[in-house]
Amino acid sequence: AAGVIQSPRHLIKEKRETATLKCYPIPRHDTVYWYQQGPGQDPQFLISFYEKMQSDKGSIPDRFSAQQFSDYHSELNMSSLELGDSALYFCASSLVSGSRDTQYFGPGTRLTVL
Amino acid sequence: AQSVAQPEDQVNVAEGNPLTVKCTYSVSGNPYLFWYVQYPNRGLQFLLKYITGDNLVKGSYGFEAEFNKSQTSFHLKKPSALVSDSALYFCAVRDMGGGYQKVTFGTGTKLQVIP
Repeated sequence: AAGVIQSPRHLIKEKRETATLKCYPIPRHDTVYWYQQGPGQDPQFLISFYEKMQSDKGSIPDRFSAQQFSDYHSELNMSSLELGDSALYFCASSLVSGSRDTQYFGPGTRLTVL
Repeated sequence: AQSVAQPEDQVNVAEGNPLTVKCTYSVSGNPYLFWYVQYPNRGLQFLLKYITGDNLVKGSYGFEAEFNKSQTSFHLKKPSALVSDSALYFCAVRDMGGGYQKVTFGTGTKLQVIP
């Protein structure tokens, strides 16, 4: 079965640079969520989109922005990167119009800021 | 606000013995409850969920969880642990009636199954 795809899997950036993470949800899923998991930490919700509209917002820094496109893939844009942004970034997708409960996670993008 | 507590940072169990990973939750309405497992350098894998109905929920890899409304708990269990069950386990909750879709995770419990 198709799963959530995230790219790239690994990314190394310098401080103050910009990064773009991509997420391709499970086919026919209409909702995408972004989570940040710092080293040894639990995943923290950043932002979500339902049918290309922002549906909820969590602890996402102002330096970050995200959007969901017409093909339902989503991109997380991160600017002015800081050392503390080094983390594993997960994308999850779900089908809200169906069983609006289970979120299925991608493998994550490991971002390292030097 | 919704929250989850996993009181144990680590649980050690001998292979073949039953295991329990504890989770308690807090939501303003009725909860959706989930367990996810995370292997090293891997994504979060869905194990099982409670939405409504039978309080004992069966999931993947022989895991089950018992929903206890009076104790606001959703402990993960398995009758006989395998070494391959060693991983990080996250309990998660979502308020069924809150209109928000995000889940809130606990801090995770590292399960170590000893051969």
